[in-house]
Amino acid sequence: EVQLVQSGAEVKKPGESLKISCKGSGYSFTTYWIGWVRQMPGKGLEWMAIINPRDSDTRYSPSFEGQVTISVDKSITVSYLQWSRLKASDTAIYYCARQVSGSEFDVWGQGTMVTVAT
Amino acid sequence: QSALTQPASVSGSPGQSITISCTGTGDDVGSYNLVSWYQQHPGKAPKLMIYDVNHRPSGVSNRFSGSKSGNTASLAISGLQAEDEANYYCNSYTASTTVGWVFGGGTKLTVL
Repeated sequence: EVQLVQSGAEVKKPGESLKISCKGSGYSFTTYWIGWVRQMPGKGLEWMAIINPRDSDTRYSPSFEGQVTISVDKSITVSYLQWSRLKASDTAIYYCARQVSGSEFDVWGQGTMVTVAT
Repeated sequence: QSALTQPASVSGSPGQSITISCTGTGDDVGSYNLVSWYQQHPGKAPKLMIYDVNHRPSGVSNRFSGSKSGNTASLAISGLQAEDEANYYCNSYTASTTVGWVFGGGTKLTVL
């Protein structure tokens, strides 16, 4: 079965760092790009960034460039999304998704809830 | 990158048909047949319903269909069922500012 399994919920304080993960299985991990999508509480989906697991080529939305970093470890079929200094406004659910040929996101992770609060 | 424009809400009775629009620009919807649609039920991850404007993934009901005209893409749902009640998001490849992808703001479908 093709699936993306994300790491569990996180509760952090402003200014802390965080790295969440997304593990792919059931398919050739380096064949498909992995994208990350934010969903703030009660809001819509926002495309953040995407990475090619084959060569780590990355693209960022202008809204997220410099705010987060995505990476991949193809040896263990995992993609990461990380923050160096969290803000309260980073509170959201973060989804990873597999992208097909520059088009649709066909398989989604279950989401990771990140809460940033004092 | 500005979000694609969708109506905030649409509604219909069981058995009826509805259409959700998704308006972009010549930098995204108007220039690329890379429009996809996602269904999201509360507390769940999004699910792909339509890709490349009008293609249905295996397992998605043929009650769902997609189309595009100019800068506007549309998702049509026929024979509305209670389980269709959800939020729907369009997505398109975009070449504005930097290359990437952009979602619509989402449409809440209520089955009356």
